[in-house]
Amino acid sequence: GAGVSQSPSNKVTEKGKDVELRCDPISGHTALYWYRQSLGQGLEFLIYFQGNSAPDKSGLPSDRFSAERTGGSVSTLTIQRTQQEDSAVYLCASSQGLAEYNEQFFGPGTRLTVL
Amino acid sequence: KNQVEQSPQSLIILEGKNCTLQCNYTVSPFSNLRWYKQDTGRGPVSLTIMTFSENTKSNGRYTATLDADTKQSSLHITASQLSDSASYICVVSARGSQGNLIFGKGTKLSVKP
Repeated sequence: GAGVSQSPSNKVTEKGKDVELRCDPISGHTALYWYRQSLGQGLEFLIYFQGNSAPDKSGLPSDRFSAERTGGSVSTLTIQRTQQEDSAVYLCASSQGLAEYNEQFFGPGTRLTVL
Repeated sequence: KNQVEQSPQSLIILEGKNCTLQCNYTVSPFSNLRWYKQDTGRGPVSLTIMTFSENTKSNGRYTATLDADTKQSSLHITASQLSDSASYICVVSARGSQGNLIFGKGTKLSVKP
């Protein structure tokens, strides 16, 4: 596609349920990033994938969070046993290489609300 | 600790006026600094990216400056338009960070008619 797409655009769930957020990066981009943006806060790095290398999971806030990237393309961020503090906008970005040197292109985000 | 601080937190200006947003950072060693524009409900879009050796870069009505000695950057918007209403985010990358960018909290700009 022309840009990074994410689905769903909005997700409302009950506390304790699991949710899956999807990201389709720009075709050919080897690097994919997940961020969390809470109200009034800056973007918080969660995890990134670069090619076939092991992902950098250093930003994941707890073991309830996990992510996969299948076939070097689509990525899924899974949050298990959601808590109210997980409510935020989850943004995905992709770049041709590592973002230190390459422009990141962001998707529109998934707004997660945990009731 | 690597941090990016932006000011002001929010700003209201009249259409046609100019404004300047500030960014101070403590990220080291420095690799590059970017300014993003984030419209409500959308992902951030890159405006400029500057490396250590660059002290100014323009993108239309947007001009970013960088002083790597004082670790300060500014984003100047000329002849503001209603469509400039958005959050402007300063992002700094550390050398060797492999993509773990440090984001400021943003300045929310409202341009009024």
